[in-house]
Amino acid sequence: GNSVTQMEGPVTLSEEAFLTINCTYTATGYPSLFWYVQYPGEGLQLLLKATKADDKGSNKGFEATYRKETTSFHLEKGSVQVSDSAVYFCALSDRGGGFKTIFGAGTRLFVKA
Amino acid sequence: EAGVTQFPSHSVIEKGQTVTLRCDPISGHDNLYWYRRVMGKEIKFLLHFVKESKQDESGMPNNRFLAERTGGTYSTLKVQPAELEDSGVYFCASSPGQETQYFGPGTRLLVL
Repeated sequence: GNSVTQMEGPVTLSEEAFLTINCTYTATGYPSLFWYVQYPGEGLQLLLKATKADDKGSNKGFEATYRKETTSFHLEKGSVQVSDSAVYFCALSDRGGGFKTIFGAGTRLFVKA
Repeated sequence: EAGVTQFPSHSVIEKGQTVTLRCDPISGHDNLYWYRRVMGKEIKFLLHFVKESKQDESGMPNNRFLAERTGGTYSTLKVQPAELEDSGVYFCASSPGQETQYFGPGTRLLVL
Protein backbone atom coordinates (compact mmCIF):
# COMPACT_ATOMS: atom_id res chain seq x y z
CA GLY A 1 0.00 0.00 0.00
CA ASN A 2 0.88 3.66 -0.13
CA SER A 3 3.14 4.99 2.58
CA VAL A 4 5.35 7.91 3.55
CA THR A 5 8.61 7.76 5.45
CA GLN A 6 10.27 10.84 6.88
CA MET A 7 13.31 11.41 9.00
CA GLU A 8 12.82 11.08 12.71
CA GLY A 9 13.28 14.04 14.91
CA PRO A 10 13.66 16.06 16.80
CA VAL A 11 15.85 18.27 14.68
CA THR A 12 17.52 21.13 16.54
CA LEU A 13 19.08 23.98 14.59
CA SER A 14 20.42 27.42 15.31
CA GLU A 15 18.72 30.41 13.72
CA GLU A 16 19.80 31.01 10.10
CA ALA A 17 20.94 27.42 9.66
CA PHE A 18 20.01 25.37 6.59
CA LEU A 19 17.19 22.89 7.03
CA THR A 20 16.57 19.61 5.25
CA ILE A 21 13.89 17.14 6.29
CA ASN A 22 13.98 13.99 4.22
CA CYS A 23 10.82 12.36 2.93
CA THR A 24 10.35 9.35 0.68
CA TYR A 25 7.15 7.71 -0.43
CA THR A 26 5.78 4.47 -1.81
CA ALA A 27 2.75 4.72 -4.03
CA THR A 28 1.01 3.22 -6.99
CA GLY A 29 0.68 5.74 -9.74
CA TYR A 30 1.68 9.36 -9.29
CA PRO A 31 0.21 10.91 -6.18
CA SER A 32 0.26 14.55 -5.24
CA LEU A 33 2.71 15.30 -2.45
CA PHE A 34 2.36 17.72 0.44
CA TRP A 35 4.13 19.19 3.41
CA TYR A 36 1.95 20.17 6.35
CA VAL A 37 3.09 22.09 9.41
CA GLN A 38 1.66 22.12 12.92
CA TYR A 39 2.78 25.04 15.07
CA PRO A 40 2.54 24.67 18.86
CA GLY A 41 -1.07 24.71 19.98
CA GLU A 42 -2.45 25.00 16.47
CA GLY A 43 -3.92 22.73 13.82
CA LEU A 44 -2.46 21.39 10.61
CA GLN A 45 -1.66 23.89 7.91
CA LEU A 46 -0.75 23.14 4.33
CA LEU A 47 2.78 24.44 3.80
CA LEU A 48 3.34 23.49 0.15
CA LYS A 49 2.42 20.90 -2.43
CA ALA A 50 3.47 19.43 -5.78
CA THR A 51 1.19 17.56 -8.13
CA LYS A 52 3.53 15.98 -10.66
CA ALA A 53 7.10 14.92 -11.19
CA ASP A 54 9.72 17.71 -11.15
CA ASP A 55 7.23 20.20 -9.74
CA LYS A 56 8.63 22.40 -7.02
CA GLY A 57 6.37 23.55 -4.24
CA SER A 58 7.36 26.62 -2.27
CA ASN A 59 6.01 28.80 0.50
CA LYS A 60 7.43 30.98 3.28
CA GLY A 61 10.98 30.23 2.13
CA PHE A 62 10.43 26.47 2.22
CA GLU A 63 10.85 24.39 -0.92
CA ALA A 64 10.38 20.76 -1.94
CA THR A 65 10.78 19.12 -5.34
CA TYR A 66 8.81 16.08 -6.48
CA ARG A 67 11.45 13.54 -7.50
CA LYS A 68 9.85 10.54 -9.17
CA GLU A 69 13.14 8.75 -9.83
CA THR A 70 14.04 8.71 -6.15
CA THR A 71 10.42 8.79 -4.88
CA SER A 72 11.37 11.69 -2.63
CA PHE A 73 10.00 15.07 -1.58
CA HIS A 74 12.58 16.55 0.76
CA LEU A 75 11.77 19.82 2.53
CA GLU A 76 14.42 22.54 2.54
CA LYS A 77 14.84 26.05 3.83
CA GLY A 78 17.94 28.12 3.46
CA SER A 79 17.75 30.05 6.71
CA VAL A 80 15.44 28.96 9.50
CA GLN A 81 13.95 31.26 12.11
CA VAL A 82 12.82 30.61 15.66
CA SER A 83 9.24 30.98 14.41
CA ASP A 84 9.73 27.91 12.19
CA SER A 85 9.78 25.69 15.26
CA ALA A 86 6.95 23.22 14.65
CA VAL A 87 6.15 19.66 13.60
CA TYR A 88 6.41 19.02 9.87
CA PHE A 89 4.48 16.24 8.15
CA CYS A 90 5.16 14.87 4.70
CA ALA A 91 2.07 13.43 3.04
CA LEU A 92 0.60 12.11 -0.17
CA SER A 93 -2.87 12.07 -1.61
CA ASP A 94 -4.19 8.64 -2.38
CA ARG A 95 -5.89 9.29 -5.70
CA GLY A 96 -7.17 5.75 -5.89
CA GLY A 97 -8.55 5.94 -2.38
CA GLY A 98 -10.89 8.89 -2.39
CA PHE A 99 -8.00 11.32 -2.04
CA LYS A 100 -7.45 10.42 1.57
CA THR A 101 -4.16 11.78 2.88
CA ILE A 102 -1.41 9.43 3.98
CA PHE A 103 1.03 11.01 6.38
CA GLY A 104 4.54 10.40 7.57
CA ALA A 105 5.26 10.26 11.29
CA GLY A 106 6.17 13.94 11.54
CA THR A 107 9.46 15.64 12.33
CA ARG A 108 9.69 18.08 15.19
CA LEU A 109 11.95 21.06 14.52
CA PHE A 110 13.40 23.24 17.25
CA VAL A 111 15.15 26.42 16.21
CA LYS A 112 17.33 28.14 18.81
CA ALA A 113 18.01 31.87 18.83
CA GLU B 1 -14.74 32.35 4.88
CA ALA B 2 -14.76 30.26 8.04
CA GLY B 3 -12.39 27.33 8.15
CA VAL B 4 -12.97 23.85 9.45
CA THR B 5 -13.95 23.95 13.11
CA GLN B 6 -13.86 21.19 15.68
CA PHE B 7 -15.41 20.89 19.09
CA PRO B 8 -14.30 20.41 21.79
CA SER B 9 -10.72 21.48 21.55
CA HIS B 10 -9.81 19.24 24.48
CA SER B 11 -11.56 16.40 26.25
CA VAL B 12 -10.48 14.42 29.28
CA ILE B 13 -12.59 11.38 30.12
CA GLU B 14 -12.26 8.17 32.06
CA LYS B 15 -11.95 4.77 30.51
CA GLY B 16 -15.37 3.37 29.73
CA GLN B 17 -17.03 6.71 29.21
CA THR B 18 -18.44 8.04 25.96
CA VAL B 19 -17.14 11.02 24.04
CA THR B 20 -18.55 12.71 20.96
CA LEU B 21 -16.39 14.89 18.75
CA ARG B 22 -17.86 17.31 16.28
CA CYS B 23 -16.54 18.70 13.02
CA ASP B 24 -18.01 21.53 10.98
CA PRO B 25 -16.52 21.55 7.49
CA ILE B 26 -16.13 24.54 5.23
CA SER B 27 -19.51 25.41 3.79
CA GLY B 28 -20.11 23.71 0.46
CA HIS B 29 -17.44 21.04 0.90
CA ASP B 30 -18.99 17.68 0.13
CA ASN B 31 -15.97 15.68 1.27
CA LEU B 32 -15.24 15.29 4.95
CA TYR B 33 -12.44 13.21 6.43
CA TRP B 34 -11.53 12.13 9.93
CA TYR B 35 -7.96 11.35 10.96
CA ARG B 36 -6.21 10.78 14.26
CA ARG B 37 -2.71 10.91 15.66
CA VAL B 38 -2.06 8.69 18.64
CA MET B 39 1.02 8.52 20.85
CA GLY B 40 3.00 10.95 18.68
CA LYS B 41 2.87 8.57 15.75
CA GLU B 42 1.79 9.30 12.20
CA ILE B 43 -1.59 10.80 11.46
CA LYS B 44 -3.85 8.02 10.25
CA PHE B 45 -6.98 8.11 8.14
CA LEU B 46 -10.20 6.99 9.81
CA LEU B 47 -12.97 7.58 7.32
CA HIS B 48 -14.30 9.65 4.45
CA PHE B 49 -17.78 11.04 3.86
CA VAL B 50 -19.13 12.30 0.58
CA LYS B 51 -22.10 14.38 1.63
CA GLU B 52 -23.92 12.14 4.10
CA SER B 53 -22.61 8.84 2.74
CA LYS B 54 -19.63 6.93 4.08
CA GLN B 55 -17.31 6.55 1.13
CA ASP B 56 -14.52 4.75 2.91
CA GLU B 57 -14.38 3.68 6.53
CA SER B 58 -11.45 1.34 6.20
CA GLY B 59 -9.44 3.20 8.82
CA MET B 60 -11.94 2.90 11.66
CA PRO B 61 -10.12 0.88 14.33
CA ASN B 62 -13.08 -1.05 15.74
CA ASN B 63 -16.80 -0.92 16.40
CA ARG B 64 -16.38 1.38 19.39
CA PHE B 65 -16.09 4.21 16.89
CA LEU B 66 -19.20 5.54 15.16
CA ALA B 67 -19.20 8.42 12.71
CA GLU B 68 -22.21 10.19 11.31
CA ARG B 69 -22.87 13.07 8.98
CA THR B 70 -26.57 13.69 9.00
CA GLY B 71 -27.74 16.03 6.27
CA GLY B 72 -24.30 16.19 4.77
CA THR B 73 -23.20 19.12 6.88
CA TYR B 74 -21.41 18.65 10.20
CA SER B 75 -20.11 15.30 11.34
CA THR B 76 -19.78 13.61 14.70
CA LEU B 77 -17.39 10.90 15.82
CA LYS B 78 -18.46 8.98 18.88
CA VAL B 79 -16.20 6.73 20.89
CA GLN B 80 -18.12 4.34 23.13
CA PRO B 81 -16.73 3.03 25.41
CA ALA B 82 -13.43 4.88 25.33
CA GLU B 83 -10.21 2.98 26.01
CA LEU B 84 -6.78 4.26 27.04
CA GLU B 85 -5.36 3.68 23.56
CA ASP B 86 -7.92 6.07 22.06
CA SER B 87 -6.02 9.03 23.49
CA GLY B 88 -4.62 11.30 20.82
CA VAL B 89 -5.50 14.16 18.53
CA TYR B 90 -8.47 13.76 16.22
CA PHE B 91 -8.40 15.88 13.07
CA CYS B 92 -11.16 16.64 10.66
CA ALA B 93 -10.61 17.89 7.12
CA SER B 94 -12.87 18.94 4.29
CA SER B 95 -12.45 19.45 0.57
CA PRO B 96 -14.65 20.43 -2.34
CA GLY B 97 -13.62 17.33 -4.27
CA GLN B 98 -10.06 18.18 -5.15
CA GLU B 99 -6.92 16.87 -3.55
CA THR B 100 -6.18 19.75 -1.21
CA GLN B 101 -7.82 19.21 2.13
CA TYR B 102 -8.39 21.87 4.75
CA PHE B 103 -7.78 20.71 8.26
CA GLY B 104 -9.36 21.76 11.49
CA PRO B 105 -7.43 22.51 14.68
CA GLY B 106 -8.03 19.04 16.09
CA THR B 107 -9.56 17.70 19.28
CA ARG B 108 -7.13 16.50 21.91
CA LEU B 109 -8.61 13.48 23.66
CA LEU B 110 -7.15 12.06 26.83
CA VAL B 111 -8.60 8.86 28.26
CA LEU B 112 -7.58 8.17 31.86
